[in-house]
Amino acid sequence: QVQLQQSGPGLVKPSQTLLLTCVISGDSVSSNIATWNWIRQSPSRGLEWLGRTYYRSKWYHDYALSVTSRITISPDTAKNQFSLHLNSVTPEDTAVYFCARNSAFDIWGHGTMVTVSS
Amino acid sequence: DIVMTQSPDSLAVSLGERATINCKSSHSVFYSSNNENCLAWYQQKPGQPPRLLIYWASSREPGVPDRFSGSGSGTDFTLTISSLQAEDVAVYYCQQYFILPFTFGQGTKLEIK
Repeated sequence: QVQLQQSGPGLVKPSQTLLLTCVISGDSVSSNIATWNWIRQSPSRGLEWLGRTYYRSKWYHDYALSVTSRITISPDTAKNQFSLHLNSVTPEDTAVYFCARNSAFDIWGHGTMVTVSS
Repeated sequence: DIVMTQSPDSLAVSLGERATINCKSSHSVFYSSNNENCLAWYQQKPGQPPRLLIYWASSREPGVPDRFSGSGSGTDFTLTISSLQAEDVAVYYCQQYFILPFTFGQGTKLEIK
C-alpha cells in the first residue's frame, strides 16, 4: 500500500530555513495522476494547505499566497520523494507539518512537529 | 479563498445515536465537468494525521465503516454517523478541493454523552 515517510528537524531557529522530506513508497512522485502536497496544522491557524507539486508531462507547482514568497516544494525522482523548503521562518511557522497525496488527501505522512525558536 | 464553516464546534452524542455535522462553503464547490462536489470529510484522532472518510461529498473511502455517510451539494454539506461508536470520538473536518488554495473547516469535536 502507499505510504509517506516524513523526516526533518523538529527545531528551527528564527530566520533560518525549514527543510522537510517526504519519501514515497507504493507510488511515484512522477505519477501522471497523483499530486503531492504539504499541509500544516497549528492551534491558531488550523489545517492550512501550503502547496503541491505534480507531473503532467512536465513539473508543476502551486503555492498558498500566504507563503508563496518563502516556499519551494521540490520533487526528487531518483529518491522518489518530495521536499518542503520554507525560508525566513518565524515563530508563526511553528506547527505540525504533513505531507499528503492528491486533492482529497487520501494518504498522509505521520506528521512532524516543527518548533521555531532560538 | 473559499471559507469553510462547520457547525457545531463541538457535539456530544450518546452511543448508538446519530451524529450530524454540517459544513458550509462561501462559494459553490460543484464541479460541472463531472457533476460532483469537490468536498471531503476527515476524521482526526489525537497524535494522528487526518484520515479521509468521504470524497466527492458522498463517496466513502475504502475501509470506512458504512455508518459514515456524506450528503449535500453546492455550498451545504453534512457528515452523518448513523450509530455512534466509542471509536468515533475525534475531531472532524470538511475540506474543499474545488479551487486553490484548498481550505478546511475549523473542525468539530465529537464526544460521547
